[in-house]
Formats: sequence, structure tokens, C-alpha cells
Amino acid sequence: QVQLVESGGGVVRPGGSLRLSCAASGFSFNDHGMHWVRQAPGKGLQWVAVIWYDGSNKFHADALGGRFTISRDNSNNILYLQMSSLTVEDTAVYFCARDSGRGFTGHVIDSWGQGTLVSVSS
Amino acid sequence: EIVLTQSPGTLSLSPGERATLSCRASQSVSSSYFAWYRQKPGQAPRLLIYGTSNRATGIPDRFSGTGSWTDFTLTISRLEPEDVAVYYCHYYGSSPYTFGQGTTLEIK
Repeated sequence: QVQLVESGGGVVRPGGSLRLSCAASGFSFNDHGMHWVRQAPGKGLQWVAVIWYDGSNKFHADALGGRFTISRDNSNNILYLQMSSLTVEDTAVYFCARDSGRGFTGHVIDSWGQGTLVSVSS
Repeated sequence: EIVLTQSPGTLSLSPGERATLSCRASQSVSSSYFAWYRQKPGQAPRLLIYGTSNRATGIPDRFSGTGSWTDFTLTISRLEPEDVAVYYCHYYGSSPYTFGQGTTLEIK
């Protein structure tokens, strides 16, 4: 079955950087688009980014101001999220999620990892 | 950007009752790209409904979705204690993808 395991979360100071990883298994990784979605403590879901199945296109939420970059390694079935210039407002659980299609709009997110917590604090 | 507004914020019902959760889009959207998720406490979201009315794998027929244009509804019939969760609507027909703010379902 689909397994998505996030890692790389932790405590980081404001202005710092962090790279999250998501190890995927149980499906053909290079046939699916992948997303990052985050959830601040006690808040709702916020879409962060999507990357197409082959990495050829990627889209990020405008509200992030270009500070985050999604990428993938199809040879090792890993999804990444590089985060920089972090602020306290970036404190959240970050979920890795699978697109039911190749990442183009119009395909639903159908599987989620358990998430990794990023805490930005001085 | 499509803004999704869910109502009510919290719903408190008894086992066996029917729950009706609403989601309104800020502009008309395609019903082909509308979904609902359930997030139980401490867990990741789980897909319930996609394409407005299609149940995801393993979701019982107590869950049903309807809607069109700007108004969408998730109905949970015959509530069970395990239905306690936050329910999110989601539109995936355009970028940025958006989620509603959630409806908390409590079971009395």
C-alpha cells in the first residue's frame, strides 16, 4: 500500500533554513505528482506546493513569497521541500501527499503521510 | 484564488443522526474537481469524496456528496462515534489549490 514518510522537521530559528524529505513506497513514484500541505497548530490545511511526476513543472503557493522550493528524486523515490527565511508563521506540521494523477490540476490528493513538525522559534 | 467557506464551524449531533456539512466557493467552480477530507484527531487527512460525489476507496455509503456551481454538501447519515473529526472541503481544479477552514463534528 501507499506509504509516505516525512522527515527533517525540528526546531529552527527565525531566518533559518530547513529541508524536509518524504520517502515514498508502495506505488510507482515516477507516475504521480506530489504535494506538500501544511497545518499550523490548531489550524486548517494550507496547500504549499506541487511537482509534476517527472519534476518538469512545479508550482508554489504565492503566499510563501518564493521562500520554499519543492523538488524530487525519482531514482530514490524521495520528495523534498527546501525552506528558507523561515518565520514563526511557518510553524506547522508539513504533510507530504500523493496526487492521484501526474500533478496537473484536476487530480485529487489521494494519500497523505503522517507529517513532520517544523517549529520556528528563537 | 478560489476561497472556500465551510459552515457550520462546529456541529454537535447524536449517534444515528444525519450530519450536513456545507462548503461555499467564492466563485463558480467545476464539480469535477471538488473533494472532502476527514481528519481525525492526531491523524493525517483522509480522502472521503472526490469529483463532488464519488466515494474514495473504503469509504462507506453513509458518506455522500452533492453540489454544483458554488455550493457543495457532505452528508453523513447514521452518525457513529468514530465520525468525530474535522472535515475539510477542497478544490483542485486550479492552482493554488485551496481548502476550506474546516467543520468540527462532535458526537454527543
